[in-house]
Amino acid sequence: NAGVTQTPKFQVLKTGQSMTLQCAQDMNHNSMYWYRQDPGMGLRLIYYSASEGTTDKGEVPNGYNVSRLNKREFSLRLESAAPSQTSVYFCASSENGAGGNQPQHFGDGTRLSIL
Amino acid sequence: QKEVEQNSGPLSVPEGAIASLNCTYSDRGSQSFFWYRQYSGKSPELIMSIYSNGDKEDGRFTAQLNKASQYVSLLIRDSQPSDSATYLCAVGSGNTGKLIFGQGTTLQVKP
Repeated sequence: NAGVTQTPKFQVLKTGQSMTLQCAQDMNHNSMYWYRQDPGMGLRLIYYSASEGTTDKGEVPNGYNVSRLNKREFSLRLESAAPSQTSVYFCASSENGAGGNQPQHFGDGTRLSIL
Repeated sequence: QKEVEQNSGPLSVPEGAIASLNCTYSDRGSQSFFWYRQYSGKSPELIMSIYSNGDKEDGRFTAQLNKASQYVSLLIRDSQPSDSATYLCAVGSGNTGKLIFGQGTTLQVKP
C-alpha cells in the first residue's frame, strides 16, 4: 500500500527552467493538496483540489499551476522557476465528507533547489 | 486570517517524563483537529485526530480539546528519545478539507 507517491524526490533547476512535480494516491481520496515547507514558515498551502475536476488557490499560489489529471493524480508545475521557490514540496490527500474535515496523508516530499 | 499558534520550542524533557505540547487556534467554528509528527528530513505523519471536547487516548498519546478556550494539546507519556521530532498542530478550515497548520513545536527527549 503505497499511499501518496511523489516524484521526483530531489531536483535541481536553474532559474527560468520549468518542471512538473507529480503526485499520485492509491487511497481513493477525493481531495488532494500541494504544500511547500520552508524553515520558520511551516506548511503553506499552494493549491488544492477538493474533488476531481476542481482546483483552487491556497495561501501561496503565485508562480505555480496545477492539474488534477484524474482522481488519483495531482501535478504541480513551475513554469519559470525562481530561487524563491527553493523549498520542500509535499503532496497530501484526504477523504472528506459531512461532519468535518478528515486528516490529510502526506507523500515523502520533493526537495527542490533553484540556482 | 485564520491562525494556529504553537510555541516553537525546543521543549526539552527527560526520558520517561510527560511531554505537553500546546496549540491555540483563532477560528471558533473549527470542528476537526489533528496532531502530526515530523522527523527531520521526513514528511508529516498523522498521530492523533480529535473532533469532540475532552480527551482522546491512543497508547502513550493523549489529545485534549477545549473548544470554548480554542485550545488543543498533546500529551506524550513515558517520553522516549525516539519521540524527539517536530509536532505540528493542524485545524480544519470550514468543510473544504483544508487544514491550517501551526509552525510546530520541536520536542527533545534526553536519555
